[in-house]
Amino acid sequence: GQNIDQPTEMTATEGAIVQINCTYQTSGFNGLFWYQQHAGEAPTFLSYNVLDGLEEKGRFSSFLSRSKGYSYLLLKELQMKDSASYLCAVLDSNYQLIWGAGTKLIIKP
Amino acid sequence: EAQVTQNPRYLITVTGKKLTVTCSQNMNHEYMSWYRQDPGLGLRQIYYSMNVEVTDKGDVPEGYKVSRKEKRNFPLILESPSPNQTSLYFCASSLGAEGHQPQHFGDGTRLSIL
Repeated sequence: GQNIDQPTEMTATEGAIVQINCTYQTSGFNGLFWYQQHAGEAPTFLSYNVLDGLEEKGRFSSFLSRSKGYSYLLLKELQMKDSASYLCAVLDSNYQLIWGAGTKLIIKP
Repeated sequence: EAQVTQNPRYLITVTGKKLTVTCSQNMNHEYMSWYRQDPGLGLRQIYYSMNVEVTDKGDVPEGYKVSRKEKRNFPLILESPSPNQTSLYFCASSLGAEGHQPQHFGDGTRLSIL
């Protein structure tokens, strides 16, 4: 079966750095997405990785290792507004998105 | 403004009373999809559509119907709702299903079936 694993919840301090991991086992691979979802709101797109390596976009970076079935989202200089759930999703061989359950990130002052 | 619009945002109804949740996008996207989101389970796909008149089942299609008669609209129909369909529903669209096209989500519809 297809599976995406993420930690359920993480806590970090304002101004610090946090890394949210995602491991996956899917039928094929056509890319990995990270989305941010604030409580009660719609998910919004953060990043897309299809090749191994690090993609940097401002305070957020996303890393992919296809051989290890592993990705992480790195958030730097954390702000209170970064408190949200972060969803990892993999596009499988049929171009269907397989979603993880999400990681709830709590930022403390 | 580019957006995906869902209606209603909130609905409380009773078992067996047919309901429709509408979804409309103004971005000329080919791909549209319906998800339900339940605590601890993440987003689960109900149905998706690659283009007009083309629809396919997702992971949890039982108890739902969809149609895609026009490119912009993708309604979700619950013919005989049951309490286990109480959930938060999202409609999403993207240019296509392939590659790096991110999905754009509607604001969600919170359904409660009593």
